[in-house]
Amino acid sequence: SQQGEEDPQALSIQEGENATMNCSYKTSINNLQWYRQNSGRGLVHLILIRSNEREKHSGRLRVTLDTSKKSSSLLITASRAADTASYFCATERSNYKLTFGKGTLLTVNP
Amino acid sequence: NAGVMQNPRHLVRRRGQEARLRCSPMKGHSHVYWYRQLPEEGLKFMVYLQKENIIDESGMPKERFSAEFPKEGPSILRIQQVVRGDSAAYFCASSPGWDGTEAFFGQGTRLTVV
Repeated sequence: SQQGEEDPQALSIQEGENATMNCSYKTSINNLQWYRQNSGRGLVHLILIRSNEREKHSGRLRVTLDTSKKSSSLLITASRAADTASYFCATERSNYKLTFGKGTLLTVNP
Repeated sequence: NAGVMQNPRHLVRRRGQEARLRCSPMKGHSHVYWYRQLPEEGLKFMVYLQKENIIDESGMPKERFSAEFPKEGPSILRIQQVVRGDSAAYFCASSPGWDGTEAFFGQGTRLTVV
């Protein structure tokens, strides 16, 4: 499987619930980034977590990184309908190149 | 501070025509990256440029595709003799450096080849 693979591929929840998305990768990285993409739109950067960090918060977002398992998770708490989007993780190895997964499509039902 | 600006947002070309996609990086950013997103896929790296230099074009198809980032003006991704398989969203990103800092993405150009 490719570097930066998200799981699940699709997730449907009710407004107010928490959403957890996971990302696995294969090789060592410098950092891992999470992006959101609304349908047919550009990417919005959410969080960057470096390889020496384990957890990071930003508003309702919480990202964890486990380099021993080569995995990361993105938690969105108290979800809203406006959170409906595709979420991508992207890994950066020794240089500038980001490697994206295929994304998780999150649907938050009002 | 305007974000990364891409134009056009949508581009329709007939098979065999040329497509030119433009990207103006954020102010103060001298590093530009182009990515391609096929339907239902993640983004795939194409090329990394600095002013007047192509640093890494390992993701570019060997034929028909070229990119430049001149001293003045936007970065241009050029696709010659387009084919249906070139239909995709092309995203440009910029950063002030490549030392693990955040890359800011534009809204993308959606190319449709008919």
